[in-house]
Amino acid sequence: GDSVTQMEGPVTLSEEAFLTINCTYTATGYPSLFWYVQYPGEGLQLLLKATKADDKGSNKGFEATYRKETTSFHLEKGSVQVSDSAVYFCALSRGFKTIFGAGTRLFVKA
Amino acid sequence: NAGVTQTPKFQVLKTGQSMTLQCAQDMNHNSMYWYRQDPGMGLRLIYYSASEGTTDKGEVPNGYNVSRLNKREFSLRLESAAPSQTSVYFCALWPPPLGASYNEQFFGPGTRLTVL
Repeated sequence: GDSVTQMEGPVTLSEEAFLTINCTYTATGYPSLFWYVQYPGEGLQLLLKATKADDKGSNKGFEATYRKETTSFHLEKGSVQVSDSAVYFCALSRGFKTIFGAGTRLFVKA
Repeated sequence: NAGVTQTPKFQVLKTGQSMTLQCAQDMNHNSMYWYRQDPGMGLRLIYYSASEGTTDKGEVPNGYNVSRLNKREFSLRLESAAPSQTSVYFCALWPPPLGASYNEQFFGPGTRLTVL
């Protein structure tokens, strides 16, 4: 069945450092891929998404590219801020069902 | 998280007690979901309801029941709570609100449940 694997955390970075959080998936066909972010005490909210191969999703300085050949959707940001500290979830979706990765906690130090 | 409310926000139960978690939406969406979130395990689907009056099991339904009596509300019941059910529970909607540009799930703020 479909599955999502993302790098374990926590990831600790200094402000302005480069961020990569790896995500790979197993699925047949072409699911939509998502990154969600969860700030402390809140529910998940969409960060970015891509619906087909080679699509690049971007939002708030974060980017991820749908790579069919490597079944990956890695999250990147060129310069993180303290306010980016949160838990990040990679997910894939086929219509009404979404499968989430385990989440990666990011700490950004000032 | 406007449009999706969950009650209560926090709850502490003793083993064997029962309770119902409530989720209500004012977005007129057909599909509603209950997830639980546990450290290192991401979100796991408990039950979902594709439309009013229908419910289906997700990945981890044991120990839970659900009820979708109308379009607005989707409740999750624990008949006899166990410590293994200590978790954060999220209600979600799909598809997203009209006018949203993405087809993501839309989450409520969560209920933090502790079973002693």
